[in-house]
Amino acid sequence: EIVLTQSPGSLSLSPGERATLSCRASQSVSSNYLAWYQQKPGQAPRLLIFGASSRATGIPDRFSGSGSGTDFTLTISRLEPEDFAVYYCQQYGRSPYTFGQGTKLEIK
Amino acid sequence: QVQLQESGPGLVNPSETLSLTCAISGDSVTSTNWWSWVRQSPGKGLEWIGDIFQNGGTNYNPSLKSRVTISVDKSKNHFSLMLSSVTAADTAVYYCARGVAFDPWGQGTLVTVSS
Repeated sequence: EIVLTQSPGSLSLSPGERATLSCRASQSVSSNYLAWYQQKPGQAPRLLIFGASSRATGIPDRFSGSGSGTDFTLTISRLEPEDFAVYYCQQYGRSPYTFGQGTKLEIK
Repeated sequence: QVQLQESGPGLVNPSETLSLTCAISGDSVTSTNWWSWVRQSPGKGLEWIGDIFQNGGTNYNPSLKSRVTISVDKSKNHFSLMLSSVTAADTAVYYCARGVAFDPWGQGTLVTVSS
């Protein structure tokens, strides 16, 4: 199975700053079938990005995804207070679909 | 607006079968989508369990394949998960979701395996 490794494990930033989250795959992700999710405490994950770079419906344009092959990045251009959460990447190019272990974005 | 809602027992005895249902509103279980189950536990993070297509075709995570069955009830517009021979390691929040880039998700239901 494809193992996804996210870095850093946690990130402390202030509102208004730029966040860059990384997701590295153990094998090339087929057709860039890579998604990003946001999860807040007590809530289900919410899809932000699919196909490595396409924003899901209703997702603000401060969220952007990039990358291909084995290296992917989620960028939040200007952090809003509601953006502090845990972020997961997931590949759906090859079964079994797998998730990264998450990056916790904390307020500094 | 598509909404998913999980339901089922919150407590299951070890060695028994966990059974959950996901009710769909705003979409049809017969639409051109995969319908998925995902679980989340502190120890293992997020784990895809498996999915089912409109024609009944299924895919299961090999780590759970021998114990998992996912099925569809078209008349009730829902799909179901059965996980047999459960142990404490199966304690988790179980989510249903649409698609393979999962969107949307149900709110999740905590299932505890304990006697």
